[in-house]
Amino acid sequence: KAGVTQTPRYLIKTRGQQVTLSCSPISGHRSVSWYQQTPGQGLQFLFEYFSETQRNKGNFPGRFSGRQFSNSRSEMNVSTLELGDSALYLCASSPRTGDTGELFFGEGSRLTVL
Amino acid sequence: DAKTTQPNSMESNEEEPVHLPCNHSTISGTDYIHWYRQLPSQGPEYVIHGLTSNVNNRMASLAIAEDRKSSTLILHRATLRDAAVYYCILRPYNFNKFYFGSGTKLNVKP
Repeated sequence: KAGVTQTPRYLIKTRGQQVTLSCSPISGHRSVSWYQQTPGQGLQFLFEYFSETQRNKGNFPGRFSGRQFSNSRSEMNVSTLELGDSALYLCASSPRTGDTGELFFGEGSRLTVL
Repeated sequence: DAKTTQPNSMESNEEEPVHLPCNHSTISGTDYIHWYRQLPSQGPEYVIHGLTSNVNNRMASLAIAEDRKSSTLILHRATLRDAAVYYCILRPYNFNKFYFGSGTKLNVKP
């Protein structure tokens, strides 16, 4: 079956703009979580959505937001982009929230902020 | 937030076993120990996970210390395709929230 799909794979924005990233989880998976990966901070948890509700949230400013649709697809939005938002944004899915098994990661969306 | 400590880098020869250590002295009784690896320009890939007992799968083995304060990922025969950054992660029970450390960069020499 198809894996986690993230779009777009690459994008370039300028400071002050906003960006929306999309994630389609594996069919049947209802939990979607987002991570930011930068060389300096490594992989950091952003938030998790399950059944269209945010279940967990990491330590990021309010400029970072997300949502999940009834088909489990998820989007994350970053407003008023800063240079430091340049990163690889990874989406991961799992069948349920609170599961103890593996997370399935997409290949990420690489955002460059100029 | 539970933290893990791993060596920054390790080197191995191809077709030899590799033991990747991880310390997690603040682990709680309900934290699962997960290992993922990340190849360049890819998302992390699941390797193995366990709670208390040692675990084996087709990719690797996970040895968990009796006090659960440390664990070791064992690749039985390293190949060039195993060169990656390996992350040891504690996953709190009932939370889909992973805390990634800095990981161990494994270099495999032919």
